Amino acid sequence: AQSVTQPDIHITVSEGASLELRCNYSYGATPYLFWYVQSPGQGLQLLLKYFSGDTLVQGIKGFEAEFKRSQSSFNLRKPSVHWSDAAEYFCAVGRPGGYQKVTFGTGTKLQVIP
Amino acid sequence: GAGVSQSPRYKVAKRGQDVALRCDPISGHVSLFWYQQALGQGPEFLTYFQNEAQLDKSGLPSDRFFAERPEGSVSTLKIQRTQQEDSAVYLCASSVSREGSYNSPLHFGNGTRLTVT
Repeated sequence: AQSVTQPDIHITVSEGASLELRCNYSYGATPYLFWYVQSPGQGLQLLLKYFSGDTLVQGIKGFEAEFKRSQSSFNLRKPSVHWSDAAEYFCAVGRPGGYQKVTFGTGTKLQVIP
Repeated sequence: GAGVSQSPRYKVAKRGQDVALRCDPISGHVSLFWYQQALGQGPEFLTYFQNEAQLDKSGLPSDRFFAERPEGSVSTLKIQRTQQEDSAVYLCASSVSREGSYNSPLHFGNGTRLTVT
């Protein structure tokens, strides 16, 4: 089995500032890693994923994430946050076998202040 | 439709009542998933269908939870004798790939918020 930890429940950043959301996972092999965003009353939207290869992955909306095996981390970053980025962000880790094998973190709620 | 559609958006049930939640996946999507998202938590896997076959129901929390997808398209999640701990958002997601493969993205609906009073 695997687990994922998002240590920050709530983060507030100023518009235009940089952002880093932390994600740590526990899994014995190379995991399948995902970041999703959820706006209020909406379903989840995939921002980016890592399966293998280049450890720095680019996603939609200007987000990127870096897989660091030595730290068991997959932190999400954005150089300049926009007010529309306010939402909840979920890191997820999966093992072979498909989406039914994915475990989601508890989420980080991002607030953006002008 | 263009996306995964779930109905109703909101459901209030008195404890002990039965409820049925509907999911209309994207047309042609083979794989369908149900998740439960409690307040302040991430989604938790409930069950998975490949077409009409329910291949994994390991996440269903009790035998009060039942899901079906009889014709391989629309799916219904039924909860019998609802309890307060069943209050959550129930998310449905679908994917074009078989076996829930990561090769294709997962498309989520907006969920049904169930409140049990």
